[in-house]
Amino acid sequence: GAGVSQSPSNKVTEKGKDVELRCDPISGHTALYWYRQSLGQGLEFLIYFQGNSAPDKSGLPSDRFSAERTGGSVSTLTIQRTQQEDSAVYLCASSLDGSTDTQYFGPGTRLTVL
Amino acid sequence: EDQVTQSPEALRLQEGESSSLNCSYTVSGLRGLFWYRQDPGKGPEFLFTLYSAGEEKEKERLKATLTKKESFLHITAPKPEDSATYLCAVLRKYALNFGKGTSLLVTP
Repeated sequence: GAGVSQSPSNKVTEKGKDVELRCDPISGHTALYWYRQSLGQGLEFLIYFQGNSAPDKSGLPSDRFSAERTGGSVSTLTIQRTQQEDSAVYLCASSLDGSTDTQYFGPGTRLTVL
Repeated sequence: EDQVTQSPEALRLQEGESSSLNCSYTVSGLRGLFWYRQDPGKGPEFLFTLYSAGEEKEKERLKATLTKKESFLHITAPKPEDSATYLCAVLRKYALNFGKGTSLLVTP
């Protein structure tokens, strides 16, 4: 009965470095989502996976951001050449089948770019 | 374009003092309206989903209602442990479009 897990919980990096954020969805959930929560900005959608495919990447802010999902389970969000404006909490969510069902969120990864 | 506006931004209540939070939305074809609770340093925790006008759902001291233009989260006789940020979101194709939330503080 484990929920969505994310690692690391906190990541501090220097401007220009690459970072990888990991998400383990709820077992059996085929849909996976990444969101970003910045101070004063609220939660914004980044990308949606159905299985290993990403039919909606519309929220990725730039080509420095990419994500993949393997085995219909674990997902990795990669940010290349990090900038200070990338500092935020990155949240992952999963849902059973990606229709109108409930999205369950993980605890997030707090990314700080110095 | 879909818009979700929550009010008030912040609300302070005395323990036992009932109130309502508002979520106004504009969306072409509502596929679902979601309420979440978020505690500091944690991810959003699912509370309710509403799909059609007139629908109501309850859980403990919380009751969510839905009209064609807005949703209300009614909090009856709140306790300090109800202090949190409450987020409203509408489902847009695959993604949730969130409002900025209402920060609720309930004092003893």
